[in-house]
Amino acid sequence: KNEVEQSPQNLTAQEGEFITINCSYSVGISALHWLQQHPGGGIVSLFMLSSGKKKHGRLIATINIQEKHSSLHITASHPRDSAVYICAVRNLGDMRFGAGTRLTVKP
Amino acid sequence: DTEVTQTPKHLVMGMTNKKSLKCEQHMGHRAMYWYKQKAKKPPELMFVYSYEKLSINESVPSRFSPECPNSSLLNLHLHALQPEDSALYLCASSPGGGDPYGYTFGSGTRLTVV
Repeated sequence: KNEVEQSPQNLTAQEGEFITINCSYSVGISALHWLQQHPGGGIVSLFMLSSGKKKHGRLIATINIQEKHSSLHITASHPRDSAVYICAVRNLGDMRFGAGTRLTVKP
Repeated sequence: DTEVTQTPKHLVMGMTNKKSLKCEQHMGHRAMYWYKQKAKKPPELMFVYSYEKLSINESVPSRFSPECPNSSLLNLHLHALQPEDSALYLCASSPGGGDPYGYTFGSGTRLTVV
């Protein structure tokens, strides 16, 4: 079993839909990251969380430390949101990655 | 400056060539990382430099040779690579000292070995 599990693996949505991507982890962490990677591109850090909730534009990330679970929400999704979203957790220097969720938003 | 800059963005090299990948940051970060990412897979850690010293080498073949000339610069020297080494090579940096925040990725170098 991977230390960082994401669901779903693939997600197709229509433009405007509300999207949720989930991440569960089984190790102790100092921070959780949500990352975005467009096809063939580098990785952009969307959020870094150690507790609670963060919001940036149409993106919202939450974390429940007790349940070892985090969610990434996208409101009013748009085709440009199509990308792979990766959950990664850190404990001291070590970063552990989930397998990623491939999101496709259709116009 | 809040970026990690990687050059070149694309590289095609033969199996007998010697080339280098470069990574630079000016955020004062003291930890720098090399990752390898194959298509549709998450990044795999290769090397970690902490305070300019190699602290982690994830059993990477010797045809990959990292170098950290100073706290802002990280190189990855490539020699006698194989076609299966073709991948996206990502650099990242963080403040170091166990600080979990400020982890920043570069945009990567897409390497093709022919």
